[in-house]
Amino acid sequence: NAGVTQTPKFRILKIGQSMTLQCAQDMNHNYMYWYRQDPGMGLKLIYYSVGAGITDKGEVPNGYNVSRSTTEDFPLRLELAAPSQTSVYFCASNPRGDEKLFFGSGTQLSVL
Amino acid sequence: QKEVEQNSGPLSVPEGAIASLNCTYSDRGSQSFFWYRQYSGKSPELIMFIYSNGDKEDGRFTAQLNKASQYVSLLIRDSQPSDSATYLCAVRPLTGGSYIPTFGRGTSLIVHP
Repeated sequence: NAGVTQTPKFRILKIGQSMTLQCAQDMNHNYMYWYRQDPGMGLKLIYYSVGAGITDKGEVPNGYNVSRSTTEDFPLRLELAAPSQTSVYFCASNPRGDEKLFFGSGTQLSVL
Repeated sequence: QKEVEQNSGPLSVPEGAIASLNCTYSDRGSQSFFWYRQYSGKSPELIMFIYSNGDKEDGRFTAQLNKASQYVSLLIRDSQPSDSATYLCAVRPLTGGSYIPTFGRGTSLIVHP
């Protein structure tokens, strides 16, 4: 099993550009999450999903969108990138939501 | 807003000492408590979880939970330089059936030889 796979690992965007961060898991987990981590800070939840077709906002959803058309994939869309979205993004998953999180390796995004 | 508070540190301890990392939380209904370790530039990895009041030991790590005081801690015995990392406390509430954990900002631990 590959676990949770995130792409790309690094990306530089110009202000106003858009992009999609990809996340895929091969563990058949129902719950998937997107977090962002700013330097010296903990993880802040952007969006989460409890199953295919079901998504919900987390603590910091503004400027982002998600979809969950399959159990495996949970892409995060950034529209009109802003410098405030410069961060490290982690995708995570777990089977039932009450268990440990399995994290991807992260995407370091800079918006200049 | 559910809060999870950690001292950001850095906490500096000599090799072989006990490192004590602390976490307080605001949601009295919280059910599960997790400690993740995060090396610089890497993703978090789970090292301990605890659900019941008291102590839980796993090798050199001990998690301590006191729900009445809304306090959870992580002790690392015989600290090694390889333990140098940021330790994130995560708390899972039980509000409306939500399982979504809330993370603290993390405590940076430095173990010096």
